[in-house]
Amino acid sequence: DTAVSQTPKYLVTQMGNDKSIKCEQNLGHDTMYWYKQDSKKFLKIMFSYNNKELIINETVPNRFSPKSPDKAHLNLHINSLELGDSAVYFCASSQDGGDTQYFGPGTRLTVL
Amino acid sequence: GESVGLHLPTLSVQEGDNSIINCAYSNSASDYFIWYKQESGKGPQFIIDIRSNMDKRQGQRVTVLLNKTVKHLSLQIAATQPGDSAVYFCAENGGLTGGGNKLTFGTGTQLKVEL
Repeated sequence: DTAVSQTPKYLVTQMGNDKSIKCEQNLGHDTMYWYKQDSKKFLKIMFSYNNKELIINETVPNRFSPKSPDKAHLNLHINSLELGDSAVYFCASSQDGGDTQYFGPGTRLTVL
Repeated sequence: GESVGLHLPTLSVQEGDNSIINCAYSNSASDYFIWYKQESGKGPQFIIDIRSNMDKRQGQRVTVLLNKTVKHLSLQIAATQPGDSAVYFCAENGGLTGGGNKLTFGTGTQLKVEL
């Protein structure tokens, strides 16, 4: 069983489009995250949600809007996509009060 | 600003040898450290973690050493196998835990295992 899953795995789109990436975890965790990994493999946190409440917002452009319908899901919607948004986006989750984060398989976003 | 860095971007080892991957951190408030392994096309996979009240922690074929005096962390892999080839990341929590937990990642070390 997949613990943290993301869809789609690959996403190719044109500049200016709006797209969403979905994340689900079946670990029973309370906290979920979005990370961005650039072409140099550098991983940087974007957002974290705890029990559907936004906890961390790392000065990400407001074109990025996370949404957590319930504590098992954290989706990422991106408006007006730009070339610089091309990256691999990872979802992660952790137990409330815990430090260990478990990552999904990633979504490779390519903006043309 | 605070940063987590790795000394070597690429490490090549012979199969069967031991590997040592190093990591320096600068946030003295960090009290939790974690190593991840990322294989090509996959997400980071948890390997081992350690809290600041420990100096050493062992897992299966892996050992993490923490030197708080010099803010240095290392991952030792015993009897390195081809399946160990991946990028390895260290990360630290900056002293934040729980719902506000934010891991800061290092730049990664590519481990290549030669047959």
